[in-house]
Amino acid sequence: GAVVSQHPSWVICKSGTSVKIECRSLDFQATTMFWYRQFPKQSLMLMATSNEGSKATYEQGVEKDKFLINHASLTLSTLTVTSAHPEDSSFYICSARDGGGWGTEAFFGQGTRLTVV
Amino acid sequence: AQKITQTQPGMFVQEKEAVTLDCTYDTSDQSYGLFWYKQPSSGEMIFLIYQGSYDEQNATEGRYSLNFQKARKSANLVISASQLGDSAMYFCAMREGRNRDDKIIFGKGTRLHILP
Repeated sequence: GAVVSQHPSWVICKSGTSVKIECRSLDFQATTMFWYRQFPKQSLMLMATSNEGSKATYEQGVEKDKFLINHASLTLSTLTVTSAHPEDSSFYICSARDGGGWGTEAFFGQGTRLTVV
Repeated sequence: AQKITQTQPGMFVQEKEAVTLDCTYDTSDQSYGLFWYKQPSSGEMIFLIYQGSYDEQNATEGRYSLNFQKARKSANLVISASQLGDSAMYFCAMREGRNRDDKIIFGKGTRLHILP
């Protein structure tokens, strides 16, 4: 199946700093990628839909100025958590679909565990 | 309102037994897709099975099958002959529509424990 690579797998940062997470589709072009956030023992909550060459679409309640998304190419989307605080500590995971249409499941990256101290 | 409902927070099943994980969904769309993903403790999301709303046959993938009851809006996952490696979190998910940018939303998940 298609491969989505996410980097880094984990990161620890100081409060007030910014952290960038990369999501790459390795063997297909992804015009759309999705960013999710997962708190411990909870479900995946969609944060935003990242569209290549245009602005991301954020879900209600997600601060677009805090979670900056850039989808500059067909194989790379980045999520930057700006001025991170301890409450931003979470598991962030991206996904992308290989083509549109029926039955094409979303492939997920390995996820990034962010800890803000 | 919750679109995907998984009523079983946790389940314990003896190894080699079959297990059914419940999922009900809510949508007014005619075109939609239903997914099941497995998430082990490592955090990765592993795709298991897919069912389209127009598919007349229940989807099957190896030991996984999806019991799709459209009128009841249910999409239960059945794992036959469970193995210790099946212990993980399982998420039911839905995509409304068929476009590339149609988002997938997840239920709260069921944690499955397989007992030796």
